[in-house]
Amino acid sequence: AQKVTQAQTEISVVEKEDVTLDCVYETRDTTYYLFWYKQPPSGELVFLIRRNSFDEQNEISGRYSWNFQKSTSSFNFTITASQVVDSAVYFCALSEAGRDDKIIFGKGTRLHILP
Amino acid sequence: DAGVIQSPRHEVTEMGQEVTLRCKPISGHNSLFWYRQTMMRGLELLIYFNNNVPIDDSGMPEDRFSAKMPNASFSTLKIQPSEPRDSAVYFCASSSRQPYNEQFFGPGTRLTVL
Repeated sequence: AQKVTQAQTEISVVEKEDVTLDCVYETRDTTYYLFWYKQPPSGELVFLIRRNSFDEQNEISGRYSWNFQKSTSSFNFTITASQVVDSAVYFCALSEAGRDDKIIFGKGTRLHILP
Repeated sequence: DAGVIQSPRHEVTEMGQEVTLRCKPISGHNSLFWYRQTMMRGLELLIYFNNNVPIDDSGMPEDRFSAKMPNASFSTLKIQPSEPRDSAVYFCASSSRQPYNEQFFGPGTRLTVL
């Protein structure tokens, strides 16, 4: 069965610190997609990144980076030099390609960046 | 390109009233999803459509909830009669099924049932 676990319910860090949000997933499929979404205080859900199961190359986009490790079924998200605007709830999600169109979301991690 | 459009953005109604939420997916997307988000239950998938056909409505809480997708550019989620426990933010999302299926979300409708 599909499952996404974000063990960190809430994290607070001081601005400019680095922070890593953990995501562990479970799936029986060999082909799947992993996602991260951001939900800022304004409420909308913003798609950040997609990774497919055959691409373990880490991704960097500005201050954001993602570490995908199939060996540990993890897809962690790191924000470098955090800023107050990074304060949001971050969701990790999983979709099993070819099965159906559903995305299974984790419970989310609420990130507070303190000035 | 316009994103997913939802209306209304806010709805306040009294218990027992009918509520209709509307969604226009991104043009060309053939899958549409309705979610509900509350503090207690987080983000829940209510129902999704593929090519206008309901595929999985197992998340619809009860018969008071119904959803339709009469064409590729419009969907409604109706609650009749509404109850205070239906108060939540309702999101619509759409995706193009192949080759990738990341979903793009609308801004949500904040529903308050008094």
